[in-house]
Amino acid sequence: AQSVTQLGSHVSVSEGALVLLRCNYSSSVPPYLFWYVQYPNQGLQLLLKYTSAATLVKGINGFEAEFKKSETSFHLTKPSAHMSDAAEYFCAVSDYGSSNTGKLIFGQGTTLQVKP
Amino acid sequence: DSGVTQTPKHLITATGQRVTLRCSPRSGDLSVYWYQQSLDQGLQFLIQYYNGEERAKGNILERFSAQQFPDLHSELNLSSLELGDSALYFCASSVGGGDSPLHFGNGTRLTVT
Repeated sequence: AQSVTQLGSHVSVSEGALVLLRCNYSSSVPPYLFWYVQYPNQGLQLLLKYTSAATLVKGINGFEAEFKKSETSFHLTKPSAHMSDAAEYFCAVSDYGSSNTGKLIFGQGTTLQVKP
Repeated sequence: DSGVTQTPKHLITATGQRVTLRCSPRSGDLSVYWYQQSLDQGLQFLIQYYNGEERAKGNILERFSAQQFPDLHSELNLSSLELGDSALYFCASSVGGGDSPLHFGNGTRLTVT
């Protein structure tokens, strides 16, 4: 069965610093992977997705993620943090290999704090 | 704006009661998913419908049920509510298929007192 593990429930960076949010996946088939962001009192917004094309995926708001099969990782990065990036971030894997329903299995989330 | 509409935004009710949460998917999306978000359990998949048919079931309690109507909107019914059912309930929709992202509504915050 597919699963994801997000390393670090809280990450704190200074404004302008590199953002690195870690995600490792487990999948019996080539995975489809996603990163979502959730701002307070809002739903989840898609940042980017990996669906077996380029291993470096660019998303919205300057975020990107690199798929590394050898490390079973899909870490999210942004070169320079903005105050507006403070939110909760979720990594997810599609379960299509198990059931082909398209439902997503989410990690526990990482709260990003950006300090001025 | 994701295009997914959920109503109501907030619900406060007492233990033992029954509530209905409503979701309108994005135009053209045939799949609707329901998730529960709580501090201790995170984001848990409840159930999925595709074009009116139940497609997948997750950690959904027997006290909970859902359906998708011919116009593709969906309802999640929660009955015999308990304090532990207090959570944020999200609806999401997609065109279907494993590589299709889910588009989420803003959720319904349920508080059971």
